[in-house]
This record gives sequence, C-alpha cells and structure tokens, in this order.
Amino acid sequence: DTEVTQTPKHLVMGMTNKKSLKCEQHMGHRAMYWYKQKAKKPPELMFVYSYEKLSINESVPSRFSPECPNSSLLNLHLHALQPEDSALYLCASSHSGGAGQPQHFGDGTRLSIL
Amino acid sequence: GQQLNQSPQSMFIQEGEDVSMNCTSSSIFNTWLWYKQDPGEGPVLLIALYKAGELTSNGRLTAQFGITRKDSFLNISASIPSDVGIYFCAGRAGTASKLTFGTGTRLQVTL
Repeated sequence: DTEVTQTPKHLVMGMTNKKSLKCEQHMGHRAMYWYKQKAKKPPELMFVYSYEKLSINESVPSRFSPECPNSSLLNLHLHALQPEDSALYLCASSHSGGAGQPQHFGDGTRLSIL
Repeated sequence: GQQLNQSPQSMFIQEGEDVSMNCTSSSIFNTWLWYKQDPGEGPVLLIALYKAGELTSNGRLTAQFGITRKDSFLNISASIPSDVGIYFCAGRAGTASKLTFGTGTRLQVTL
C-alpha cells in the first residue's frame, strides 16, 4: 500500500464540469508534485510545491489549478478540460525538494474527459 | 532539454532468467532512481543511487550508477511472474527537484 493517498481513483467529467483531485501524505514530506501520465508513457511533471509554495509550473494550461492548503494536502482543481487531458494523474511527495530525496508516488486518479 | 533513453523498450523472458536494462542520458545526473509500475498503480521506488560508481541491491534487484554519470543499469536475477510491469529510470541533475523519467522498459515473464 502506498503512503500517498489519492482520491478519487477514477473520475469521468464533461468538458464544462469543475472537479478537484486530492492527494494526502502523512510522512512529514515538505515537497509535493503533480504528474500527468498517458498510456505507455513516462510520467510528465506538471507542478512542484516546496514548503507549501509553488516552485515549479511546467507551463501547464490554466485549466489546471494546483493548491497546497497545508503540508499534508495537495489539490488539483480542474475546469473546462479537453478530451486530450484524459490521463492518469499522479501525486508524489518527497522529504524536501532538494537533490537526493526520492519521490514516492500515489496510485493516481484515472481521469476521462467526455 | 534532457532526455533519458531506456533500453530495451520491451522484454519477453522466461521465469528464472536474469534481466538487464539500462538508461542513458545526454547530460550528467547526480541522482538515479529506478521505479516499477504495475497496471492501475503508481510507480513504486525500487532503488536510489547517489554516487558515481555506486552499486546497490534490493533483494534480487541490483542497480548501478554509471561512472560517467550519464547512465544507470538495473539487473533482476532469477525473474518471477510478479516481476512483470514497466520499469522506469529517473534522473535528477544538480539541486533541482525535477525528475526526468526514462521511456520505460516493459517486462513480460512467461512460465
């Protein structure tokens, strides 16, 4: 069982809906990450939060809006998504954002856009 | 930008055989990580490497940080059916928090 918990496990939404993905970790990690993974491809980094501040945004479209309410929680707010946004969204955390700190992943939310 | 090429892309092996896969980079990394991903799950960390030349084992798995710092290798000995999955290498350069992932090696084990 992973120590990074993501909800929901599956999500189907229309292009006009607003929904949120949630991620929680209780390992005391201070860096948290959102990745997008398409089938048979490696994970692609979207956002990095370090000590609850956004430190990296990999030029992600504004229809994806991350939020880090506290050191244990990470949300990804979704609005007006496109069919090509259908993918597995993975959350990860690490002790800190620095080198030498391996990232631990949740099992992801499989998102389907109709 | 940095790219990590992983090979082979896929492997079909028989139970009990040893497996080798590698990852090469166009630039230097100071951390190499190896993950395994099963269908419907997130990547699970297998081995982390932090020094050039480092050789680290985790059960039947052994990984090495290449001397040039541009490559890494993963070996699996005496494969079993539960070794099936996709293996990803990932590298980190400098002090950045960003990981660059390899293209993945899909492993299939036949009885």
